Amino acid sequence: QQPVQSPQAVILREGEDAVINCSSSKALYSVHWYRQKHGEAPVFLMILLKGGEQKGHEKISASFNEKKQQSSLYLTASQLSYSGTYFCGTVFKAAGNKLTFGGGTRVLVKP
Amino acid sequence: SQTIHQWPATLVQPVGSPLSLECTVEGTSNPNLYWYRQAAGRGLQLLFYSVGIGQISSEVPQNLSASRPQDRQFILSSKKLLLSDSGFYLCAWDLQGTETFFGQGTRLTVV
Repeated sequence: QQPVQSPQAVILREGEDAVINCSSSKALYSVHWYRQKHGEAPVFLMILLKGGEQKGHEKISASFNEKKQQSSLYLTASQLSYSGTYFCGTVFKAAGNKLTFGGGTRVLVKP
Repeated sequence: SQTIHQWPATLVQPVGSPLSLECTVEGTSNPNLYWYRQAAGRGLQLLFYSVGIGQISSEVPQNLSASRPQDRQFILSSKKLLLSDSGFYLCAWDLQGTETFFGQGTRLTVV
């Protein structure tokens, strides 16, 4: 089963903030966040392994609520380079090590 | 350092022809290996997952198969391609609890 991402798309002006959510119906072992530019392979942003963990990459940060089986990615003071499709990937506790991705959130940052 | 090689980068094949995409990983041992497919503008669909030589988990019933003849080699195959097999194929590897590394992808067009 795939994690569910929301929203499906978001348009921002440079400098604005956005939140992307990732939720699961099953208990999670870890949550991974990736960004993909058009025609390229996904690029790793961060991995969250523990409930309550928060991490940051540039002005992009994420949190993991293990109890609620969800994670959120925060784009702060967005830059043009933040444009792309963001994917959360989840490893379910009952499903071995395999990484399953959500449907993605398209982010467009305009000047 | 670890690297992942995936080839070819692009491929145009007629309907009914066979397919073989190869992926090799360097600099690590006993990685988890993945094949994902991405249709245009869509998410990353997990096709196959492997935790060791000869151990393949198929995630989606389809026209494709995978093999892992060596620890760091993962092959995606088809005996007869369908139009619906077109897409962007990504090989990836990781170790449990770590970042997942993607190859550069193969863009397959079935004509």
